[in-house]
Amino acid sequence: KAGVTQTPRYLIKTRGQQVTLSCSPISGHRSVSWYQQTPGQGLQFLFEYFSETQRNKGNFPGRFSGRQFSNSRSEMNVSTLELGDSALYLCASSPAGDTQYFGPGTRLTVL
Amino acid sequence: SQQGEEDPQALSIQEGENATMNCSYKTSINNLQWYRQNSGRGLVHLILIRSNEREKHSGRLRVTLDTSKKSSSLLITASRAADTASYFCAAALDSGYSTLTFGKGTMLLVSP
Repeated sequence: KAGVTQTPRYLIKTRGQQVTLSCSPISGHRSVSWYQQTPGQGLQFLFEYFSETQRNKGNFPGRFSGRQFSNSRSEMNVSTLELGDSALYLCASSPAGDTQYFGPGTRLTVL
Repeated sequence: SQQGEEDPQALSIQEGENATMNCSYKTSINNLQWYRQNSGRGLVHLILIRSNEREKHSGRLRVTLDTSKKSSSLLITASRAADTASYFCAAALDSGYSTLTFGKGTMLLVSP
């Protein structure tokens, strides 16, 4: 099976812009989670989707949102970008929970 | 807030030596997982140990879990240069969801 894919791999944006990141899970996996990784805060959970429904949400402002489509592909959106949003955004899929299979990440730089 | 806290933050050893990393967590968990990350890339799942298990092996990896002390350890035996990476423990809370709460990781450097 193909692994988790994330697009784009690298992104440069300026403050105030918005960005959409995409994640395609492993075939058959219905759970998709998103994480933000920064040198200061480490890996932090953003949200999890299961069968198009948000099951859990981390402690992030409303500027961060996501959705999942019927084919389990997921997108996350960050509006009104701030310098502190520069990070590696990781997507992970899981058949139903427990072990997470991570994609290579999207590195977002906000100037 | 971080659930898992790894110790040490960095570890430097020679090839062939064993590497031990420790992790502590704060609340009750469903399971605890260990992941490896190479140079800011995606995470690779290494091993999962459930709250009712005390020890688990996978190849050169040995994981222990002590729920009374809320701690876990990862032992890599006979380390290789290719084991150089950051290692994270991740707690899956007793919520039934897939959410993982990660520690800040241990950077392992294995020199030839």
